[in-house]
Amino acid sequence: ETGVTQTPRHLVMGMTNKKSLKCEQHLGHNAMYWYKQSAKKPLELMFVYNFKEQTENNSVPSRFSPECPNSSHLFLHLHTLQPEDSALYLCASSQDRTSGELSTDTQYFGPGTRLTVL
Amino acid sequence: RKEVEQDPGPFNVPEGATVAFNCTYSNSASQSFFWYRQDCRKEPKLLMSVYSSGNEDGRFTAQLNRASQYISLLIRDSKLSDSATYLCVVTGNQFYFGTGTSLTVIP
Repeated sequence: ETGVTQTPRHLVMGMTNKKSLKCEQHLGHNAMYWYKQSAKKPLELMFVYNFKEQTENNSVPSRFSPECPNSSHLFLHLHTLQPEDSALYLCASSQDRTSGELSTDTQYFGPGTRLTVL
Repeated sequence: RKEVEQDPGPFNVPEGATVAFNCTYSNSASQSFFWYRQDCRKEPKLLMSVYSSGNEDGRFTAQLNRASQYISLLIRDSKLSDSATYLCVVTGNQFYFGTGTSLTVIP
């Protein structure tokens, strides 16, 4: 399945490095999401973009910086990360997302980037 | 209180067994409910939506109990390939994921 793709699939970086995660969706969706999945924890929503506009930022540290140049692409720029940021970072998309309203959309996930911060 | 709670398991069942998972949610205004499946080191994939009237897809049956605020997933005639983590998802103003219930089907 190639509906939502993510690169790289694996990333090892030092705390002083700068790297970017990329997500691309081929489903014609208008909403895109970044999630963090750590061991033994539920998925944590980080950011939501709807029609290229950021609609939610769940108190994510500024060392994570999202960018959404168009409805099909989403980036997560990383800098000066900490070892506790090591996790699986998942991108998802859905047809639409209206902030503040209940959503009935189904989300489709990319394969994730497994990030290790040394 | 967590938005969504699941028993993490693990559930270890023999092939052919029937197994059921429950998931409780805290927001009575939640509108949509889903079960996702996540294989080890893979992304979550939609297994099925959960409708108010209950719904069935082959060996899988999902039910919603709004009064008690829980959803359930029943798997009949378990296969080895059903081994995975099953995530309960509830929508409010965002998607809320449970921690998942681990299932291992044993030969």
